[in-house]
Amino acid sequence: AQSVTQPDIHITVSEGASLELRCNYSYGATPYLFWYVQSPGQGLQLLLKYFSGDTLVQGIKGFEAEFKRSQSSFNLRKPSVHWSDAAEYFCAVGTTDSWGKLQFGAGTQVVVTP
Amino acid sequence: ETGVTQSPTHLIKTRGQQVTLRCSSQSGHNTVSWYQQALGQGPQFIFQYYREEENGRGNFPPRFSGLQFPNYSSELNVNALELDDSALYLCASSSAGGRRGELFFGEGSRLTVL
Repeated sequence: AQSVTQPDIHITVSEGASLELRCNYSYGATPYLFWYVQSPGQGLQLLLKYFSGDTLVQGIKGFEAEFKRSQSSFNLRKPSVHWSDAAEYFCAVGTTDSWGKLQFGAGTQVVVTP
Repeated sequence: ETGVTQSPTHLIKTRGQQVTLRCSSQSGHNTVSWYQQALGQGPQFIFQYYREEENGRGNFPPRFSGLQFPNYSSELNVNALELDDSALYLCASSSAGGRRGELFFGEGSRLTVL
């Protein structure tokens, strides 16, 4: 069965420290991979996406993610976190025959402390 | 801001009632996808409309139905509301011929069923 797992429900990080959010997927075909961010009471904003090619993907707000096929992972990273990065982050997976029909992980809540 | 607007933003219903949620897609987009996000969970795909036809459905019962209009705006209808239908309902628009898989989300309609 297809699945997306975000192992960390909640992460607390100090402002200025680095951040890494984990995402593992289980899909039969090569998936398309996404990271979205959701601030309280808001919709989802796309941070970055991977379709093919270079496995290190740069996104908005200083985020990057690396696709590792051997580990079925697509982890999100940021070298130095800002207080405004406090939000919920979702990993999502789609396929070529399911345009716009994404499967989301359960999310990771990020808290940033001073 | 994505250009995707949803209404109403909040509403309260009682069990057994019916609800209609509306979505205006971003200009130039012909595809609308609906997602349900229960509290503390990731969004779950309900269904997608492409050029006024249903184009895929997630694991939701038939009392969840939808429409897409010639201007590509869309409605989500839920009949016989149950307590578990309480959630944030997200609409996302995309262009089937455009940037692959990128969804633009509205800010959602929060439904509370009492």
